[in-house]
Amino acid sequence: SQTIHQWPATLVQPVGSPLSLECTVEGTSNPNLYWYRQAAGRGLQLLFYSVGIGQISSEVPQNLSASRPQDRQFILSSKKLLLSDSGFYLCAWSAGRAEKLFFGSGTQLSVL
Amino acid sequence: DAKTTQPPSMDCAEGRAANLPCNHSTISGNEYVYWYRQIHSQGPQYIIHGLKNNETNEMASLIITEDRKSSTLILPHATLRDTAVYYCIVISYPSGTYKYIFGTGTRLKVLA
Repeated sequence: SQTIHQWPATLVQPVGSPLSLECTVEGTSNPNLYWYRQAAGRGLQLLFYSVGIGQISSEVPQNLSASRPQDRQFILSSKKLLLSDSGFYLCAWSAGRAEKLFFGSGTQLSVL
Repeated sequence: DAKTTQPPSMDCAEGRAANLPCNHSTISGNEYVYWYRQIHSQGPQYIIHGLKNNETNEMASLIITEDRKSSTLILPHATLRDTAVYYCIVISYPSGTYKYIFGTGTRLKVLA
């Protein structure tokens, strides 16, 4: 069966520090991968999606970047965090066309 | 991308049917309607999806109008555990994959 792992569960970082969040999927190959962010009390905002290794599409210009170094690995990064980067970050995957999205358990990021 | 409109909140008595509406008046002919729900501080969970016909699974029923401009998610016998934010989304298809764009959803509160 397929599983998605996302870590860490919580993270507190000072303003200006770097960020690296990792997401891996097991039990499937060539998944579509997604990063979402959810500000407190708000809806889900699509940040990045990827259809293959090295292929990244950005939805919202911001202080973040994403990379896909391996087929089932998706990384969200920042060189210098801003206060506005605080939020609940979710990784997700789908098998392809009109397929269900499966979400990880999320990372609660607090930038102080 | 077809956008969706949902009421911000609804209440439902435990044991009664919860009917959650969604408007997607700009939907295209090959776009699917998906429903997810998010329990507090967790990743969203897939509920059901459909294209034209009504659908039913062990969790819910999805009723899509004949013109496909709106749909209703029905939880036949709501329980306290169904308290969550429910998202109705429409799948677009750019660049060989699907972008899943979530709105702000409907916050359903099931009352004892």
